[in-house]
Amino acid sequence: NAGVMQNPRHLVRRRGQEARLRCSPMKGHSHVYWYRQLPEEGLKFMVYLQKENIIDESGMPKERFSAEFPKEGPSILRIQQVVRGDSAAYFCASSKTGGAEDTQYFGPGTRLTVL
Amino acid sequence: AQTVTQSQPEMSVQEAETVTLSCTYDTSESDYYLFWYKQPPSRQMILVIRQEAYKQQNATENRFSVNFQKAAKSFSLKISDSQLGDAAMYFCAYGGGGTYKYIFGTGTRLKVLA
Repeated sequence: NAGVMQNPRHLVRRRGQEARLRCSPMKGHSHVYWYRQLPEEGLKFMVYLQKENIIDESGMPKERFSAEFPKEGPSILRIQQVVRGDSAAYFCASSKTGGAEDTQYFGPGTRLTVL
Repeated sequence: AQTVTQSQPEMSVQEAETVTLSCTYDTSESDYYLFWYKQPPSRQMILVIRQEAYKQQNATENRFSVNFQKAAKSFSLKISDSQLGDAAMYFCAYGGGGTYKYIFGTGTRLKVLA
């Protein structure tokens, strides 16, 4: 059973460019969560999505960041006009039911570097 | 709001010895879950162990066990017979309790000395 897949693993962008990060949840999982890890810090929640729905985006910056989880295909975290402060590791997690008792399984992360 | 605190930025242990990593948390909820995740240099987040707050029995997974003290809001991880492959960042996390967001501590870097 394949785990959570994320790509690319490493992404380099220049300031002002767009970054697209992809996440395919584990088979049978329909709940996706995005977290950001700044250097030397723990992971911080950004957004929670189900298929075609954003459930909670309270941890996501209001500008330049957006997320989607279409009916078909992976979940996408999109960062427009990237700045140096966006450099971080972005982790996607998935769960089966989305309930509090359901463990979230994490992907390998995408390390974004903004030059 | 829930918080998770890991007060040990770095720990060292001799190979084959035992080490305990500390974690405290704060919540007003009675039903929640606690986790330890391992992050090796590859940056992958690997679930080590999970504890349900309603269970009094401490969770164990092979060489990994926890000491869960609900009243004290403490959740420490004990690694027995430490191996070189245990070297990593270890994150304590809180989940549930009315939220699906996991709250992570700042991590403890574990070094294993040969």
